[in-house]
Amino acid sequence: SAVISQKPSRDICQRGTSLTIQCQVDSQVTMMFWYRQQPGQSLTLIATANQGSEATYESGFVIDKFPISRPNLTFSTLTVSNMSPEDSSIYLCSVDSPLRTNTEAFFGQGTRLTVV
Amino acid sequence: GIQVEQSPPDLILQEGANSTLRCNFSDSVNNLQWFHQNPWGQLINLFYIPSGTKQNGRLSATTVATERYSLLYISSSQTTDSGVYFCAVERRPSGNTPLVFGKGTRLSVIA
Repeated sequence: SAVISQKPSRDICQRGTSLTIQCQVDSQVTMMFWYRQQPGQSLTLIATANQGSEATYESGFVIDKFPISRPNLTFSTLTVSNMSPEDSSIYLCSVDSPLRTNTEAFFGQGTRLTVV
Repeated sequence: GIQVEQSPPDLILQEGANSTLRCNFSDSVNNLQWFHQNPWGQLINLFYIPSGTKQNGRLSATTVATERYSLLYISSSQTTDSGVYFCAVERRPSGNTPLVFGKGTRLSVIA
C-alpha cells in the first residue's frame, strides 16, 4: 500500500487569498490525482499530475485557478487561488499502488477548506 | 464516459441489522474499489475488488464484472459504520488512470 500525508488537514481562509495543499507519498508513484468534494457531493477529479510535465486538467478546472506542481515522484502541491466561498470543499490527493501488480488507489486524509 | 450508479442513496439501520449496498457501472472496468468516508472526511479503503468476492470481518464484497455490478454487504451493523460509502471504478481499462466515483450511499446506524 501507499501512505499519503496531506497537509493541512483543515483551514479557514479569507476570500481572495490562496491556499497551497501538500501531498507527500512514502514511495515513488507515476501519477498523482487531485479531487474536490463539495459539501454533500461525490468526488470530482480536478487534474492528473505527472512528474516532469504539466498537469492535465478536467473540464471545468483551469490552471490559473488550481495550479499544480509535481517536482518529484513522491510530492505534489495543489493551490486554490483567489478563493471564494464556492471553493469551500474537501480536497484530496490520490495515487495508484506503487506495486505493479494492481491498480488500487490510495487517498490522503483530505484538506477541509472553508472560505469566509 | 463511464457511469457509476449507487443505491440506495440513503439508508437508516438499527444497530445489529444487515444491509446490502449496490454499485452498477456502465462499461468494462480494470479496477473497482469500495470506500468508507468517515465524518471527518477521510476515505478509508474497504475493498479493491475488480472481480470475485472478498471478506473482511463484518464486511464483504462481490463484483460480477460480466454483469457490471458490485455489492457491499454489512452484517451486524454498528454505529461506527455510519458515514458515506462510495463505489469507484477506474475510467479506462489500463493502469494509472483516475477513479470515477458514484454518488455514494449515506448510511446511518442508530443504537
